[in-house]
Amino acid sequence: GAVVSQHPSWVICKSGTSVKIECRSLDFQATTMFWYRQFPKQSLMLMATSNEGSKATYEQGVEKDKFLINHASLTLSTLTVTSAHPEDSSFYICSAVAGIETQYFGPGTRLLVL
Amino acid sequence: DAKTTQPTSMDCAEGRAANLPCNHSTISGNEYVYWYRQIHSQGPQYIIHGLKNNETNEMASLIITEDRKSSTLILPHATLRDTAVYYCIGRNSNSGYALNFGKGTSLLVTP
Repeated sequence: GAVVSQHPSWVICKSGTSVKIECRSLDFQATTMFWYRQFPKQSLMLMATSNEGSKATYEQGVEKDKFLINHASLTLSTLTVTSAHPEDSSFYICSAVAGIETQYFGPGTRLLVL
Repeated sequence: DAKTTQPTSMDCAEGRAANLPCNHSTISGNEYVYWYRQIHSQGPQYIIHGLKNNETNEMASLIITEDRKSSTLILPHATLRDTAVYYCIGRNSNSGYALNFGKGTSLLVTP
């Protein structure tokens, strides 16, 4: 149980285009999901908290107009990287809270912006 | 959330127990200790968590000292597939679910 999926697993796009990443909780409902970013040889950094039916909460320094988050249902949150640039290339990971305590993570999406 | 301190790296021979320490001397009374691991190029995997009692599941055991200022994650019979970065994270149940990942311990299991 407690499986989280992400799609796509990797994506290459041109600079200036937008990319959407989906995060799904497959066997449980999640009112809260999180989006993290990880650069090479660094630890995970929390970008935003996604709450079903309400606006996302962004961490300091994360541009909310650039990283659009939509949590339209209890099993799906999406992250859209708008007008992507090479510096947005990273490993994007989502997580979902199952029950009352534990986060389960997706496999990650590797984004490369050319 | 409590700041945690872990060794940067550790080695363990395959088949032996891997004991990964974590210091969390500023942990508060209602703060859980969570352990996750991240195998290269994958998302983090939940291992175990505890508050003050020792915990065991199919993956590992968590030993928390009586004063709760430190803990040890034990992988009883390490395999090559246990090579990963292990994160010890303190989480206050009153401050939401967000996890603050530090640098973790890079565990290398050798044949």
